[in-house]
Amino acid sequence: EVRLVQSGAELKKPGETLKISCMVSGNVFTDDWIGWVRQVPGKGLEWLGNIYPGDSDTVYNPSFQGQVTISADKSIATAYLHRSSLTASDTGIYYCARHRTGSGWYPDYWGQGTLVTVSS
Amino acid sequence: DIRMTQSPSSLSASVGDRVTISCRASQNIDNFLVWYQQKPGKAPKLLMYAVSTLESGVPSRFSASGSGTDFTLTITSLQPEDFATYYCYQSFTTPYTFGQGTKLEIK
Repeated sequence: EVRLVQSGAELKKPGETLKISCMVSGNVFTDDWIGWVRQVPGKGLEWLGNIYPGDSDTVYNPSFQGQVTISADKSIATAYLHRSSLTASDTGIYYCARHRTGSGWYPDYWGQGTLVTVSS
Repeated sequence: DIRMTQSPSSLSASVGDRVTISCRASQNIDNFLVWYQQKPGKAPKLLMYAVSTLESGVPSRFSASGSGTDFTLTITSLQPEDFATYYCYQSFTTPYTFGQGTKLEIK
């Protein structure tokens, strides 16, 4: 079974940089799209973007393009989400998820979530 | 962006009840509709995809229907473990978008 394990909770100050990781096992890492979804109080679930680790092809939500960077390290089957210049509105839970293809793209296996708190 | 609107936002029901949750897309998404269940402190769990295909391991008391812009999720004979928040999601086009959620509570 596919398993995604994310890095631990983060407490950041406004303006700081965030990088969270997602280690994937149980699949061929380079053959699946891995994406990031965030859950922010009051804004629900938001898809941020996906990466195909096989060739590092990325697709971003235009609302977050330029604000987040998704990357992957094939050698350790790990995907990353990078966000600079954090603000309080970035506070929330960030999930990585394997995205199944076939009827569009949709998350099927999810990580446990990483709580990110941005506060001065 | 395609806006997904769920109704109701919250719902109270009893064990054994039948409930229906609606999801409307702001434009035609054909059959690219997915349903998730989320319990407090947990990641969403995939229930159904392509409108009405049940994910492996999901009980058959869950069913769904619809096409185009209007979709429904039905749970027959509610069980205690079904009380959770349910989200629809369109996988038709980027940016992929979720509904705002329907919280199903015990009456």
